[in-house]
Amino acid sequence: QQQVKQSPQSLIVQKGGISIINCAYENTAFDYFPWYQQFPGKGPALLIAIRPDVSEKKEGRFTISFNKSAKQFSLHIMDSQPGDSATYFCAASPFTGGGNKLTFGTGTQLKVEL
Amino acid sequence: NAGVTQTPKFQVLKTGQSMTLQCAQDMNHNSMYWYRQDPGMGLRLIYYSASEGTTDKGEVPNGYNVSRLNKREFSLRLESAAPSQTSVYFCASSDLGQGEAFFGQGTRLTVV
Repeated sequence: QQQVKQSPQSLIVQKGGISIINCAYENTAFDYFPWYQQFPGKGPALLIAIRPDVSEKKEGRFTISFNKSAKQFSLHIMDSQPGDSATYFCAASPFTGGGNKLTFGTGTQLKVEL
Repeated sequence: NAGVTQTPKFQVLKTGQSMTLQCAQDMNHNSMYWYRQDPGMGLRLIYYSASEGTTDKGEVPNGYNVSRLNKREFSLRLESAAPSQTSVYFCASSDLGQGEAFFGQGTRLTVV
């Protein structure tokens, strides 16, 4: 059972364009929603994260939009660059007071073309 | 500052063999995790340790055991490897609560 559904599986964007990746979750206990970026041969690294008390969070060219009622959140990459080409994972976790048990989406391979 | 260090980086096992994947972190984090990454399935939690002295099952624990040796080290053991355990394994660590999880570089394991 996939508790966090991610789409699209792959995405090709022209340099300077906007990349949009979407995720939907089922577990209403989730209250922390990070996005991870992974380059080939490397481990995932935190890109940006949001909690459900806000509907949007922006860090540089990266923005998370969050819709609590729809149980959906998305990553927007503005002015996409070739260096953004990587695999992106959305994730979610509940507050447990003991560790950060992340449930990941299936990933989106982003390619930014010149 | 090394962060999260995993050894080995690559390993080939025969079916039925055993091995231990090692993980160490130098960030003084309380919580540590083992994930596996398979194509089209994202990362799935195998086991985690919320704090030193505790371990608990994640989403896919069957066929694995873990040991939280001390605050720095968290190992994953495959007692009798199966081809279905062919995967890339990632160790991660974080502070208590929902702090950022830092991942190691991964161990690519092939079971033939």
